[in-house]
This record gives sequence, C-alpha cells and structure tokens, in this order.
Amino acid sequence: SQTIHQWPATLVQPVGSPLSLECTVEGTSNPNLYWYRQAAGRGLQLLFYSVGIGQISSEVPQNLSASRPQDRQFILSSKKLLLSDSGFYLCAWSRDRGMFAEAFFGQGTRLTVV
Amino acid sequence: AQSVTQLGSHVSVSEGALVLLRCNYSSSVPPYLFWYVQYPNQGLQLLLKYTSAATLVKGINGFEAEFKKSETSFHLTKPSAHMSDAAEYFCAVMEYGNKLVFGAGTILRVKS
Repeated sequence: SQTIHQWPATLVQPVGSPLSLECTVEGTSNPNLYWYRQAAGRGLQLLFYSVGIGQISSEVPQNLSASRPQDRQFILSSKKLLLSDSGFYLCAWSRDRGMFAEAFFGQGTRLTVV
Repeated sequence: AQSVTQLGSHVSVSEGALVLLRCNYSSSVPPYLFWYVQYPNQGLQLLLKYTSAATLVKGINGFEAEFKKSETSFHLTKPSAHMSDAAEYFCAVMEYGNKLVFGAGTILRVKS
C-alpha cells in the first residue's frame, strides 16, 4: 500500500531564517506531487506541483520554492521566512494517470514564523 | 478557471440531526468533484468523489453527496450526525494535472 510521510509535524522559526520541509511517498512510482498551504481561516491553496523529477510548477508567486530531487521526494524551501509564511502545509500525491485520481494527503506541518 | 464556493464557514447541528454542507462549483467543463474531511492538525481524508458516473455518490462514514448539474451543486449530507463527525470539510473541483481547487471549508460542530 502507498503511504506519504511529511515532517516535521510542527515548526517554529524566526523571521528571516531558512526553511526546509520534506515529503516522501512510498509504495508507488512516478506520482504527481503537490504542496498546499492552509492559512488560518482560509481554504487550501496549491503552491507547487510536480509531474516528475526536476519538474516543478509554481501556482502562485511567493517567498517559497520547491524541489524534487528524487521520484518520491518533494521538498518545500525558503531562504528567508516571512511572517506571512505561517500556516499549515500539506503535501499530497496522486497517480500520474487518470483525470479522476484523488489526492492523498500527508499529516501536515504546522509552521509558525515568529 | 474553475472555482468552488462553500456556503457557511461554520455549521452547527445536534447529535442525530441531519448534516447538510453546501458546495457550489464553477467549471467550463464537466467537473470532477471531491469532498475531503480534516480533523484538527491532521491531513485531509477523502470522503467521496464524483467522476461523472452516478449522480448520487456514497462515501465513508455514512456521508453522501448528490451532483446536480442544473444547480451546479454538490452538497454533502448525512442523515444522522455523530459527535465524531465534528471536523472541517472541504469541497474541491479537479483541474487538469489532477490539481485540486478547494473551497474555503466548513467547520462542522456537533452538539450533544
């Protein structure tokens, strides 16, 4: 069966510090990978998605970047965090084929920038 | 572009009462629609999905949703609420590339 791991679960970082959140998927190959952010009182916003190694699409301009160094690894980064980067970050994967393939989500990372 | 509107950011029902969470979508193509549930500080779990087969879709935990093209709606219902149903619920429409466009979410509170 497929599983998705996301860490850390919680993180408190000072403004201006770097960020690295990691997500890995097991039990499948060539998944589509996604980073979503859920800000307080708001819905989920797609930040990045990837259909393969080294292939990253950014959905919104922001202070963050994403990388996919391996087939089942997706990393969310920032060089200098802003207060507005606080939120709940969710990694997700879906099968690479099929328009109806639902997304499977990790447990999320609660990021607080202070 | 596709979009989703969830009416009511908070819904409160009594235990045993009907649950109705509203979702309306906007899509220029036949939509693929989803309902997800999120418990506090956890990821999202799929409740059910509509992929142009039956218009009445049954999901987990006794939830179901009906796709109504004429009303561009995909409301989520459950005949009898349970305390364990308290959570946040998200309606979403799928775009090309399996990308999900989410509504703002509805927090369901179940009163004993």
